[in-house]
Amino acid sequence: DTGVSQDPRHKITKRGQNVTFRCDPISEHNRLYWYRQTLGQGPEFLTYFQNEAQLEKSRLLSDRFSAERPKGSFSTLEIQRTEQGDSAMYLCASSPNTIGNTIYFGEGSWLTVV
Amino acid sequence: GQQVMQIPQYQHVQEGEDFTTYCNSSTTLSNIQWYKQRPGGHPVFLIQLVKSGEVKKQKRLTFQFGEAKKNSSLHITATQTTDVGTYFCAGGVFSGGGADGLTFGKGTHLIIQP
Repeated sequence: DTGVSQDPRHKITKRGQNVTFRCDPISEHNRLYWYRQTLGQGPEFLTYFQNEAQLEKSRLLSDRFSAERPKGSFSTLEIQRTEQGDSAMYLCASSPNTIGNTIYFGEGSWLTVV
Repeated sequence: GQQVMQIPQYQHVQEGEDFTTYCNSSTTLSNIQWYKQRPGGHPVFLIQLVKSGEVKKQKRLTFQFGEAKKNSSLHITATQTTDVGTYFCAGGVFSGGGADGLTFGKGTHLIIQP
């Protein structure tokens, strides 16, 4: 499988716990994105990496959220002290290093905070 | 900030009827992309439009980009049950050093009655 893979696919956690999601992009893609999608809404941009550098963060990304891409390959998204409002699908996507190019989404990681 | 609006939010059609969804941006776009998301799935890229007034076709799907690069439409001719899903437009703005993160509309949910 050469697509974007995400792990875990589903996570149920209690409010206040920390969770971490992992994303493995398509191997030759330099750009990696995190989006969040809630039911009935379109994906909302969270953050973006060019190789290992985090170049942009949305205002949606509160200080409880942190993303890393230490070696410019896989990425992690950590949510600390989860809140019920964090319940959503977290989508990772990658694209080649070309402005305006297609982004390829992974299957997403569903988070439910109870 | 940039906003992308899509109408209608829901569209019920009889199988065999045509379907159109419209996308409008509050700002001039550099490109627009269209995605399809099946129920329970992740967004899958359909097409990208870059040029003012551009029209592209994929079998029964016709995509248009407005002359002012602020609106777009997707038209499906003779819908089939396999067309069921949510269709998202996503507007891109090339910001030079930025993420070029796409701004998604809320999507149009296509429901087809056999």
